[in-house]
Amino acid sequence: GAGVSQSPRYKVAKRGQDVALRCDPISGHVSLFWYQQALGQGPEFLTYFQNEAQLDKSGLPSDRFFAERPEGSVSTLKIQRTQQEDSAVYLCASSLEDRLYEQFFGPGTRLTVL
Amino acid sequence: QKEVEQNSGPLSVPEGAIASLNCTYSDRVSQSFFWYRQYSGKSPELIMSIYSNGDKEDGRFTAQLNKASQYVSLLIRDSQPSDSATYLCAVNYGGSQGNLIFGKGTKLSVKP
Repeated sequence: GAGVSQSPRYKVAKRGQDVALRCDPISGHVSLFWYQQALGQGPEFLTYFQNEAQLDKSGLPSDRFFAERPEGSVSTLKIQRTQQEDSAVYLCASSLEDRLYEQFFGPGTRLTVL
Repeated sequence: QKEVEQNSGPLSVPEGAIASLNCTYSDRVSQSFFWYRQYSGKSPELIMSIYSNGDKEDGRFTAQLNKASQYVSLLIRDSQPSDSATYLCAVNYGGSQGNLIFGKGTKLSVKP
């Protein structure tokens, strides 16, 4: 079936704008993860959902970052009042419940904050 | 602080050679170890997972884990130009429900 999809693929925002990034996981994958990847770095964990429950949000860098997955499928990562340091690729990954750590990544959303 | 360390490279090997990629991690309670391949401008792709000490082979790839030394490696035999990518080592430290800690990656270049 289809892999993880993300939209938009590219987003340019002016500093101070709010943005919303969407992730559609692989069908049947109950676990969903958001990561942030800066240029030349490895992905850094942001938050994790199992179905609709947000079980870990320890990686969210500030209270400007908010994620939700209300129906246990599609997830949205929202960043309020964007700052230049938020510029990065935001990766979504999903996995089966019994293979939690074997994560399949989407293509990412490249966010540029001017 | 839990860390995963990799040599950023670039590591350059001739076509047909063995490429050896190394990774060390800081926490002895680590349970699961992964290698992801990331082509330039693309997202990470899982290529190997290893959970116990020793070697695990899959085609041209071999992952090696030594928990006593807190060391995991990836060997690529008969390297091909299509193997040129950044290889990310990832570790799960357990108890954090799926959180993977990634290294910065090693850039591999296979020369024809």
